Amino acid sequence: DTEVTQTPKHLVMGMTNKKSLKCEQHMGHRAMYWYKQKAKKPPELMFVYSYEKLSINESVPSRFSPECPNSSLLNLHLHALQPEDSALYLCASSQGLAGAEQYFGPGTRLTVT
Amino acid sequence: GESVGLHLPTLSVQEGDNSIINCAYSNSASDYFIWYKQESGKGPQFIIDIRSNMDKRQGQRVTVLLNKTVKHLSLQIAATQPGDSAVYFCAEKPLDSSYKLIFGSGTRLLVRP
Repeated sequence: DTEVTQTPKHLVMGMTNKKSLKCEQHMGHRAMYWYKQKAKKPPELMFVYSYEKLSINESVPSRFSPECPNSSLLNLHLHALQPEDSALYLCASSQGLAGAEQYFGPGTRLTVT
Repeated sequence: GESVGLHLPTLSVQEGDNSIINCAYSNSASDYFIWYKQESGKGPQFIIDIRSNMDKRQGQRVTVLLNKTVKHLSLQIAATQPGDSAVYFCAEKPLDSSYKLIFGSGTRLLVRP
């Protein structure tokens, strides 16, 4: 199984809502990532988890809160988002350190109204 | 700051022709480079990678060339097919980063039938 799955595929939320994005992989990868991608732009790294611990936070606003409940799951909790946070949110995983290939999920298309 | 591939050009090729997609990177300390393909509505898909101790690597219908002297990376696609139409991103991993990939701005490949 070389698949990273993400749910939901699409999400529309108001600025006062709380929602969560979910990501799952069963490849035994120990690093998991959240990226944000705006239209016609490359993915921008948000967070990296390594062995279920937060390894990198790219100065992401606190309205985005990541969580790694176990080695297969990665969540992104959303609260009080702004319309400019509307984007494609991509999850990825990799086997480990030093240049391992990152496998991406299909993304969640988020619209903040 | 660090940057990879500042522009987003579009390359239009005839089906059956060879395609060459270029990428300039700025971090001479990067030790690992990847090409990703992203189709509309999907997450990036790994195509091929190359380490900095190599200058060429071949896959199925694809070849990546690395010129460290001028900090240039290219992706060659042989006998381009309609299914190759997508946005292609190069990405580099700086030597001092275990996980972080820096993505280029991308090139859109359009294959004319």
